[in-house]
Amino acid sequence: GAGVSQSPSNKVTEKGKDVELRCDPISGHTALYWYRQRLGQGLEFLIYFQGNSAPDKSGLPSDRFSAERTGESVSTLTIQRTQQEDSAVYLCASSQNTEAFFGQGTRLTVV
Amino acid sequence: DAKTTQPPSMDCAEGRAANLPCNHSTISGNEYVYWYRQIHSQGPQYIIHGLKNNETNEMASLIITEDRKSSTLILPHATLRDTAVYYCIVRVAGNSGYALNFGKGTSLLVTP
Repeated sequence: GAGVSQSPSNKVTEKGKDVELRCDPISGHTALYWYRQRLGQGLEFLIYFQGNSAPDKSGLPSDRFSAERTGESVSTLTIQRTQQEDSAVYLCASSQNTEAFFGQGTRLTVV
Repeated sequence: DAKTTQPPSMDCAEGRAANLPCNHSTISGNEYVYWYRQIHSQGPQYIIHGLKNNETNEMASLIITEDRKSSTLILPHATLRDTAVYYCIVRVAGNSGYALNFGKGTSLLVTP
Protein backbone atom coordinates (compact mmCIF):
# COMPACT_ATOMS: atom_id res chain seq x y z
CA GLY A 1 0.00 0.00 0.00
CA ALA A 2 0.92 3.66 -0.08
CA GLY A 3 1.63 3.90 3.61
CA VAL A 4 1.42 2.17 6.96
CA SER A 5 -2.15 1.13 7.67
CA GLN A 6 -3.54 0.47 11.12
CA SER A 7 -6.88 -0.96 12.10
CA PRO A 8 -9.19 -0.32 13.70
CA SER A 9 -8.76 3.44 13.88
CA ASN A 10 -10.80 3.53 17.07
CA LYS A 11 -11.62 0.82 19.56
CA VAL A 12 -13.71 1.02 22.70
CA THR A 13 -13.56 -2.03 24.92
CA GLU A 14 -14.69 -3.03 28.37
CA LYS A 15 -12.18 -3.48 31.13
CA GLY A 16 -11.02 -7.09 31.26
CA LYS A 17 -11.59 -7.84 27.58
CA ASP A 18 -8.82 -8.75 25.16
CA VAL A 19 -8.09 -6.55 22.12
CA GLU A 20 -6.09 -7.09 18.97
CA LEU A 21 -4.63 -4.21 16.98
CA ARG A 22 -3.37 -4.64 13.45
CA CYS A 23 -0.58 -2.99 11.51
CA ASP A 24 0.06 -3.39 7.77
CA PRO A 25 3.54 -2.00 7.07
CA ILE A 26 4.80 -0.64 3.79
CA SER A 27 5.65 -3.53 1.49
CA GLY A 28 9.32 -4.48 1.67
CA HIS A 29 10.02 -2.76 4.97
CA THR A 30 11.98 -5.11 7.18
CA ALA A 31 11.64 -3.14 10.42
CA LEU A 32 8.40 -2.64 12.30
CA TYR A 33 7.83 -0.72 15.54
CA TRP A 34 4.95 -0.40 17.99
CA TYR A 35 4.58 2.61 20.28
CA ARG A 36 2.03 3.73 22.82
CA GLN A 37 1.08 7.37 23.35
CA ARG A 38 -1.10 8.33 26.27
CA LEU A 39 -3.02 11.58 26.13
CA GLY A 40 -0.66 14.53 26.29
CA GLN A 41 2.39 12.30 26.67
CA GLY A 42 5.33 11.31 24.48
CA LEU A 43 5.83 8.13 22.49
CA GLU A 44 6.55 5.07 24.59
CA PHE A 45 8.44 2.31 22.77
CA LEU A 46 6.81 -1.12 23.06
CA ILE A 47 8.39 -3.59 20.64
CA TYR A 48 10.59 -3.70 17.54
CA PHE A 49 10.76 -6.36 14.81
CA GLN A 50 13.73 -6.50 12.45
CA GLY A 51 13.61 -9.10 9.71
CA ASN A 52 14.08 -12.61 11.04
CA SER A 53 15.90 -11.47 14.18
CA ALA A 54 14.40 -11.97 17.61
CA PRO A 55 12.17 -8.97 18.37
CA ASP A 56 13.18 -6.37 20.94
CA LYS A 57 10.40 -6.70 23.50
CA SER A 58 12.06 -4.56 26.13
CA GLY A 59 9.34 -1.91 26.05
CA LEU A 60 6.33 -4.12 26.68
CA PRO A 61 4.89 -2.90 30.00
CA SER A 62 3.53 -6.22 31.24
CA ASP A 63 2.89 -9.82 30.24
CA ARG A 64 -0.61 -8.78 29.19
CA PHE A 65 0.99 -7.26 26.10
CA SER A 66 2.28 -9.36 23.22
CA ALA A 67 2.94 -8.85 19.53
CA GLU A 68 3.48 -11.06 16.54
CA ARG A 69 4.71 -10.45 13.04
CA THR A 70 4.45 -12.84 10.13
CA GLY A 71 7.66 -12.58 8.12
CA GLU A 72 7.97 -9.03 6.89
CA SER A 73 4.25 -8.40 6.66
CA VAL A 74 1.38 -7.69 8.99
CA SER A 75 1.83 -7.38 12.75
CA THR A 76 -0.71 -7.69 15.52
CA LEU A 77 -0.46 -6.24 19.01
CA THR A 78 -2.58 -8.06 21.57
CA ILE A 79 -3.54 -6.70 24.95
CA GLN A 80 -5.13 -9.21 27.30
CA ARG A 81 -7.41 -8.35 30.20
CA THR A 82 -7.40 -4.65 29.32
CA GLN A 83 -7.17 -2.06 32.07
CA GLN A 84 -8.18 1.59 32.00
CA GLU A 85 -4.50 2.55 32.08
CA ASP A 86 -4.15 0.88 28.66
CA SER A 87 -6.22 3.67 27.11
CA ALA A 88 -3.95 5.38 24.59
CA VAL A 89 -3.15 5.75 20.91
CA TYR A 90 -1.12 2.79 19.66
CA LEU A 91 1.17 3.73 16.79
CA CYS A 92 2.91 1.44 14.34
CA ALA A 93 5.84 2.37 12.10
CA SER A 94 7.84 0.57 9.45
CA SER A 95 11.25 1.26 7.98
CA GLN A 96 13.43 -0.04 5.19
CA ASN A 97 16.66 1.65 6.14
CA THR A 98 16.66 5.19 7.42
CA GLU A 99 13.26 6.85 7.60
CA ALA A 100 10.47 5.37 9.69
CA PHE A 101 6.94 5.85 8.37
CA PHE A 102 4.13 5.95 10.91
CA GLY A 103 0.52 4.96 10.63
CA GLN A 104 -2.29 7.10 11.98
CA GLY A 105 -2.66 4.92 15.03
CA THR A 106 -5.42 3.07 16.84
CA ARG A 107 -7.13 4.99 19.60
CA LEU A 108 -7.97 2.51 22.34
CA THR A 109 -10.43 3.45 25.06
CA VAL A 110 -10.98 1.05 27.94
CA VAL A 111 -14.20 1.73 29.84
CA ASP B 1 21.60 5.00 21.91
CA ALA B 2 22.78 8.36 23.20
CA LYS B 3 20.30 10.51 25.09
CA THR B 4 19.23 13.93 23.90
CA THR B 5 18.15 17.10 25.67
CA GLN B 6 15.69 19.55 24.14
CA PRO B 7 13.87 22.57 25.54
CA PRO B 8 10.27 21.64 26.36
CA SER B 9 8.71 24.47 24.38
CA MET B 10 9.45 27.33 21.99
CA ASP B 11 7.52 30.05 20.19
CA CYS B 12 8.16 31.44 16.73
CA ALA B 13 6.42 34.12 14.70
CA GLU B 14 5.00 33.04 11.37
CA GLY B 15 7.41 33.72 8.52
CA ARG B 16 10.46 33.79 10.77
CA ALA B 17 13.07 31.08 11.09
CA ALA B 18 12.51 28.54 13.85
CA ASN B 19 15.75 27.25 15.36
CA LEU B 20 15.29 24.18 17.51
CA PRO B 21 18.33 23.09 19.56
CA CYS B 22 19.29 19.62 20.69
CA ASN B 23 22.13 18.51 22.95
CA HIS B 24 23.60 15.03 22.51
CA SER B 25 26.91 15.21 24.31
CA THR B 26 27.35 11.43 24.58
CA ILE B 27 26.81 10.70 20.90
CA SER B 28 28.97 7.92 19.47
CA GLY B 29 30.94 8.11 16.25
CA ASN B 30 28.54 5.88 14.34
CA GLU B 31 25.35 7.52 15.55
CA TYR B 32 23.32 9.84 13.35
CA VAL B 33 21.10 12.72 14.45
CA TYR B 34 17.48 12.28 13.35
CA TRP B 35 14.62 14.75 13.59
CA TYR B 36 10.94 13.85 13.55
CA ARG B 37 7.87 15.92 14.27
CA GLN B 38 4.37 15.10 15.40
CA ILE B 39 1.53 17.37 14.45
CA HIS B 40 -1.46 17.10 16.75
CA SER B 41 -3.47 13.89 16.32
CA GLN B 42 -1.14 12.53 13.65
CA GLY B 43 1.66 9.97 13.62
CA PRO B 44 5.24 11.27 13.73
CA GLN B 45 6.82 12.40 10.47
CA TYR B 46 10.48 12.13 9.49
CA ILE B 47 12.13 15.48 8.77
CA ILE B 48 15.87 15.06 8.25
CA HIS B 49 18.96 13.28 9.51
CA GLY B 50 22.73 13.75 9.41
CA LEU B 51 26.04 12.40 10.66
CA LYS B 52 28.46 15.33 10.78
CA ASN B 53 27.89 17.49 7.72
CA ASN B 54 25.10 20.01 7.59
CA GLU B 55 22.08 18.77 5.68
CA THR B 56 19.23 20.51 3.88
CA ASN B 57 16.05 19.24 2.28
CA GLU B 58 12.72 20.70 1.26
CA MET B 59 11.49 20.74 4.85
CA ALA B 60 14.42 21.95 6.93
CA SER B 61 18.13 22.35 7.49
CA LEU B 62 20.20 20.50 10.08
CA ILE B 63 23.30 22.11 11.52
CA ILE B 64 25.59 19.81 13.51
CA THR B 65 28.46 21.26 15.54
CA GLU B 66 31.97 20.17 14.72
CA ASP B 67 32.26 18.14 17.93
CA ARG B 68 28.82 16.62 17.18
CA LYS B 69 27.66 17.25 20.72
CA SER B 70 24.76 19.42 19.66
CA SER B 71 22.66 20.26 16.64
CA THR B 72 20.02 22.72 15.48
CA LEU B 73 17.03 22.09 13.27
CA ILE B 74 16.12 25.14 11.24
CA LEU B 75 12.72 25.75 9.67
CA PRO B 76 13.62 28.74 7.49
CA HIS B 77 10.16 30.28 7.15
CA ALA B 78 7.85 28.85 9.79
CA THR B 79 4.15 28.57 9.01
CA LEU B 80 1.20 27.89 11.30
CA ARG B 81 1.21 24.30 10.00
CA ASP B 82 4.67 23.81 11.50
CA THR B 83 3.18 23.92 14.99
CA ALA B 84 4.09 20.49 16.34
CA VAL B 85 6.26 18.57 18.78
CA TYR B 86 9.78 18.13 17.37
CA TYR B 87 11.87 15.16 18.42
CA CYS B 88 15.65 14.90 18.19
CA ILE B 89 16.92 11.31 18.24
CA VAL B 90 20.42 9.90 17.96
CA ARG B 91 20.77 6.39 16.63
CA VAL B 92 22.97 4.22 14.49
CA ALA B 93 21.81 4.30 10.89
CA GLY B 94 19.71 1.69 9.18
CA ASN B 95 17.78 -1.17 10.66
CA SER B 96 20.51 -2.10 13.07
CA GLY B 97 18.47 -3.71 15.78
CA TYR B 98 18.00 -0.50 17.71
CA ALA B 99 14.55 0.99 18.15
CA LEU B 100 13.83 4.66 17.71
CA ASN B 101 13.58 6.09 21.20
CA PHE B 102 11.61 9.32 21.32
CA GLY B 103 12.13 11.66 24.25
CA LYS B 104 9.77 14.44 25.24
CA GLY B 105 10.70 16.71 22.35
CA THR B 106 10.17 20.44 21.91
CA SER B 107 6.65 21.76 21.48
CA LEU B 108 6.91 24.49 18.84
CA LEU B 109 4.10 27.03 18.62
CA VAL B 110 4.07 29.19 15.51
CA THR B 111 2.03 32.33 16.07
CA PRO B 112 0.41 34.64 13.52
